[in-house]
Amino acid sequence: KAGVTQTPRYLIKTRGQQVTLSCSPISGHRSVSWYQQTPGQGLQFLFEYFSETQRNKGNFPGRFSGRQFSNSRSEMNVSTLELGDSALYLCASSWGSGSGDEQFFGPGTRLTVL
Amino acid sequence: AQSVTQPDIHITVSEGASLELRCNYSYGATPYLFWYVQSPGQGLQLLLKYFSGDTLVQGIKGFEAEFKRSQSSFNLRKPSVHWSDAAEYFCAVGPTGFQKLVFGTGTRLLVSP
Repeated sequence: KAGVTQTPRYLIKTRGQQVTLSCSPISGHRSVSWYQQTPGQGLQFLFEYFSETQRNKGNFPGRFSGRQFSNSRSEMNVSTLELGDSALYLCASSWGSGSGDEQFFGPGTRLTVL
Repeated sequence: AQSVTQPDIHITVSEGASLELRCNYSYGATPYLFWYVQSPGQGLQLLLKYFSGDTLVQGIKGFEAEFKRSQSSFNLRKPSVHWSDAAEYFCAVGPTGFQKLVFGTGTRLLVSP
């Protein structure tokens, strides 16, 4: 069974640009969550999508947005990039959105903003 | 608000020695608690979880953790460390289970020969 796939794995952008990251969940999983990992702030929850609906959102500015498609694939978008957006962005998928639905993490997309 | 503290940024352990990684949490209700491991270039892998019941939980790769409500702690232990255990370990709390996890800052484990 294939794991969570994230594309691209590495990305370099400049300040002011926008970027779109993609996440393909494990087959059959309907929930996708996104996390940002930085050396200074650690791992922080961005948002969670279930059946194309955003169910939870972390404390990030509106420049960070996401969506989920009918096949459960998810994208997150960051507009007007800032240097501080440089991070490893992790996607996790789970079968459902319940308390016991284990999340499985992808390898992440490393975003560097110059 | 929920928070997780991992007081040790780095820990070095000799191969074959025992290991204990500390985790303290702050949460008003009974928390859902987790330990994850992250190897370089990899995503996070779940080692074990505590939802309720027996306060000593067993996980994969020979790890275990003990939930102590009185100390607000959920320390991770392993009796004998292997070189392949070198990685970064994250403790997390989930107010509603696996979703919307709040992570600690991580502890990097180094294993010396």
